[in-house]
Order: sequence, then C-alpha cells, then structure tokens
Amino acid sequence: DTGVSQDPRHKITKRGQNVTFRCDPISEHNRLYWYRQTLGQGPEFLTYFQNEAQLEKSRLLSNRFSAERPKGSFSTLEIQRTEQGDSAMYLCASSYGQGAKTEAFFGQGTRLTVV
Amino acid sequence: AQRVTQPEKLLSVFKGAPVELKCNYSYSGSPELFWYVQYSRQRLQLLLRHISRESIKGFTADLNKGETSFHLKKPFAQEEDSAMYYCALRWDDKIIFGKGTRLHILP
Repeated sequence: DTGVSQDPRHKITKRGQNVTFRCDPISEHNRLYWYRQTLGQGPEFLTYFQNEAQLEKSRLLSNRFSAERPKGSFSTLEIQRTEQGDSAMYLCASSYGQGAKTEAFFGQGTRLTVV
Repeated sequence: AQRVTQPEKLLSVFKGAPVELKCNYSYSGSPELFWYVQYSRQRLQLLLRHISRESIKGFTADLNKGETSFHLKKPFAQEEDSAMYYCALRWDDKIIFGKGTRLHILP
C-alpha cells in the first residue's frame, strides 16, 4: 500500500499518560495535515506542515499537543497528560503542491481511547 | 466564520431512487468545495470537487453561490453508495469539513 500510513491503528492509554502517533505521507508529498474526528463529527483541522515547517495550528490544539515533521517526511503527533476528552480518531493527510487542483489523501487513522 | 453545514445526519433512500445530500456553506470569497466519501472500513477519500465539474460514480454537485449550497445528487441510487459523505470547503490551505451525512440505500 503506497498510500498514507498511520501507526498505531489503535491505542488505549490511561489518563495522564503520554502518547505519540506516527504518520508516513505519500512519498514526495510536501504537505501533511493532522485532523481529529470524534463521534458524529466531521474531521476537525489540527495543524499542517509544508515540508518541515509547521505553518498553522488550530486553537483546538492545546499546549499538551505537539507535532513535528523533522525531515519533511514522516510526522509525529504527541499528546501529553492525556485526558478522556482526547479520545478520538486522529487522521493524517498529505498532498503535493498547493492550489485548486491538489488533492489530500487520508490515512486510515489512529483511534485513541483514554480510560 | 467559514463553516460547512450538512443538515441531515442520516438519509435513507430506496435503491433506484434519486439521492440528494444537502450542503450549505458560509465563506466570504470564492469558495472551493468538495465532497468526500468514506465507505465502511475504508479511509476518507475525495469523491468530487466543484471546479472539475465532473460526474464521479454517477454523482454530481453544482455550486450555487446565491443559495451558498453545494448539494450532491445522483439520479438512481445503488446499494454500493451506502457510505458516510462529507461536504468540505478549502480555506486558507486547509480543508474544513461538515459533520457528514450517512447515506443508507435500502434494497
């Protein structure tokens, strides 16, 4: 599968623990996005990168959340001191270029459950 | 603020009947709109975008700036159309999604 890959697919953690998710975008895609999706909602934008630069962070992204894309390839999303409200599906997407005709390709997501 | 509204959480349609999934948006400017689809156990994928004016899997969507709508239509529903459909708007290099409508095709 040469699409966007996310790891792990599922994560169960105890409240207060730190978790880290990984996203491998499609090779040579310069843009990488993180979204969060809770039950009954559409994906909500969290942050995005162009190459290794983090260009924007949503207000949804509290200071417990941090994302990196150190070499402009894969990205990690870390949540510190997890809370039950962090339980959600975390989606990664990547695209090449910018403008009207670019298409974002999504990964299958990481489902986080905080108990 | 930029927003996408999908008023129906669930739409049940008989096979062979027409389908219309509603989408309204608020955006100050020239919008770029999309429909994404998620089939059971599959990842979210682009179905169509308004600038392409294309028909994909029999679906079309017309941008109506006067009504700020981008409804998704198909004349004859098929069982394989059952899925979650999200209307989306590109704003400032990110995509904003509606809450989605689950389309259930009845046999």
